Amino acid sequence: AQRVTQPEKLLSVFKGAPVELKCNYSYSGSPELFWYVQYSRQRLQLLLRHISRESIKGFTADLNKGETSFHLKKPFAQEEDSAMYYCALWGSGNTGKLIFGQGTTLQVKP
Amino acid sequence: DTAVSQTPKYLVTQMGNDKSIKCEQNLGHDTMYWYKQDSKKFLKIMFSYNNKELIINETVPNRFSPKSPDKAHLNLHINSLELGDSAVYFCASSHASGLFFGSGTQLSVL
Repeated sequence: AQRVTQPEKLLSVFKGAPVELKCNYSYSGSPELFWYVQYSRQRLQLLLRHISRESIKGFTADLNKGETSFHLKKPFAQEEDSAMYYCALWGSGNTGKLIFGQGTTLQVKP
Repeated sequence: DTAVSQTPKYLVTQMGNDKSIKCEQNLGHDTMYWYKQDSKKFLKIMFSYNNKELIINETVPNRFSPKSPDKAHLNLHINSLELGDSAVYFCASSHASGLFFGSGTQLSVL
């Protein structure tokens, strides 16, 4: 079964603290994984994808096939990082279906 | 020059009514989607069309009928609205780098 699990519904940290948003996946084969962010009352935006291995807004995510994880990290959280974060997996086949995790709300306190 | 635009942004209606949500993308993508975000912020795919052809229908009640007049448009018509249909509906189109989302339509069924 193809599945994405984000175990934390809410993560609350203070400004300047490190952040790690957890994501685990279930997929046979080579997964293609993404992180999306949804700021309050806005559309979902692509934050990063594991293939590009880039850092956006200070966030990085490394694919760990052994642990089937794709955790999102940032060394120093900012208040403007407060948002809902979704981990997503590109489903198998050519259907292009993106399977989302349950989402984690990140709350960065001043 | 919004990439994926959907209308209306808000839709408030009575139970039993029929309503439509429109979506247009100007990105030249072949594939478009409808996702539903429920009250717990969980995102689930409903439909996917590739170049006007239905390719994903995720056990959605047949009161929901997508229509794609051309590959730049994917509209969603909902018959006999029920209280449980209240949610935010997101349109999206896809590219190799991921999905691009519209700003969402908040549907409230009273």
